[in-house]
Amino acid sequence: QVQLVESGGGVVQPGGSLRLSCAASGFTFSSYGMHWVRQAPGKGLEWVAFIRYDGSNKYYADSVKGRFTISRDNSKNTLYLQMNSLRAEDTAVYYCAKDPKAGGIPVGYFDYWGQGTLVTVSS
Amino acid sequence: EIVMTQSPATLSVSPGERATLSCRASQSVSSNLAWYQQKPGQAPRLLIYGASTRATGIPARFSGSGSGTEFTLTISSLQSEDFAVYYCQQYNNWPALTFGGGTKVEIK
Repeated sequence: QVQLVESGGGVVQPGGSLRLSCAASGFTFSSYGMHWVRQAPGKGLEWVAFIRYDGSNKYYADSVKGRFTISRDNSKNTLYLQMNSLRAEDTAVYYCAKDPKAGGIPVGYFDYWGQGTLVTVSS
Repeated sequence: EIVMTQSPATLSVSPGERATLSCRASQSVSSNLAWYQQKPGQAPRLLIYGASTRATGIPARFSGSGSGTEFTLTISSLQSEDFAVYYCQQYNNWPALTFGGGTKVEIK
């Protein structure tokens, strides 16, 4: 069965950096685009970033563009999110999520989600 | 950016009753709409995609309808495990994917 397991969350000061990881199993990771979605405490869901199955294209929400970088290592079945210049408003649970379409153009919804990792930006 | 608006914010329903949740888009998203269920402390779970297609393993009591700007999620007979927060999400305007603010379905 599909499993997505995030790690790397924690407490970081404003302006700091953090790298999240998402270990995937149960499907052919190298065939699917992957997303990061976040949820601030007590709030709704916000899409953050997407990377194509082969890493050739990446897209970001305006709120994180220029500060966050999505990447993947298909040899390790792992997705990453490098977060720099962190702000208080980046405090959230970060989920990795799988796009349902293999290869090519992504669909843009999320058929499997990890359990999330909490990032807290505070001094 | 397409703004998704869900109503009501909270819906109080008795077990066994029908629940009807609404989602409105600020501009047409065709049928590129998904619904998710989220329970406290858990990740969201995909219920519906393509506005009306149930995801794998989703019970038939969940149904979706609508197209364009108006969408509905109906739970025909609420079970205890259905009390949760429900989110709609449009994926028509790639890559600016957006969610509604959620509807909490609580026990009446």
